[in-house]
Amino acid sequence: DGGITQSPKYLFRKEGQNVTLSCEQNLNHDAMYWYRQDPGQGLRLIYYSQIVNDFQKGDIAEGYSVSREKKESFPLTVTSAQKNPTAFYLCASARNGGLPTLADTQYFGPGTRLTVL
Amino acid sequence: KQEVTQIPAALSVPEGENLVLNCSFTDSAIYNLQWFRQDPGKGLTSLLLIQSSQREQTSGRLNASLDKSSGRSTLYIAASQPGDSATYLCAVTITGANSKLTFGKGITLSVRP
Repeated sequence: DGGITQSPKYLFRKEGQNVTLSCEQNLNHDAMYWYRQDPGQGLRLIYYSQIVNDFQKGDIAEGYSVSREKKESFPLTVTSAQKNPTAFYLCASARNGGLPTLADTQYFGPGTRLTVL
Repeated sequence: KQEVTQIPAALSVPEGENLVLNCSFTDSAIYNLQWFRQDPGKGLTSLLLIQSSQREQTSGRLNASLDKSSGRSTLYIAASQPGDSATYLCAVTITGANSKLTFGKGITLSVRP
């Protein structure tokens, strides 16, 4: 089966801890993205990567870090510096992360719900 | 800065009704516009993608239109069914923005049996 997987589905974190959210895709897509979704806020871009070993900050990168060592994987670490991390986190991928091409839609994973205790 | 607006935030209709969901954006320099569906607690599923050079796209009971000059898109759902109940999000790709999407906050649709 081709697609994007995220794990875990639910994650609980104590204040002061770092946690890492997993995102894996087997679609052979170049680009990967992390979004945060809060009630009534829509989706906001945290980080994105257009190619392996390269990534850029999105609109709300503070308190987060990422790596892109493999094409298939784009893990997101929520650090203790993120003051309000409780949210629903969505990972996405797209075939071409450069200039958009025809029918170049983003495919989303099922999400991870992070709760700070 | 591009802003995408979807009004109203929620909509409830009886089964069988044809309905239109609206989306507006402030900057007409877009590469494409997409409509997504999100079920509660789930990820997003792409419904339709309209390139900036196109005026509409159709898939089954869904039809999306795009008017770049006025900064508007509509998603038309024909003969609505309870299974259409979900949140519908509109997103635009800004020209030159490397496929980054700017999302609206979504419209939560409830179709009553």
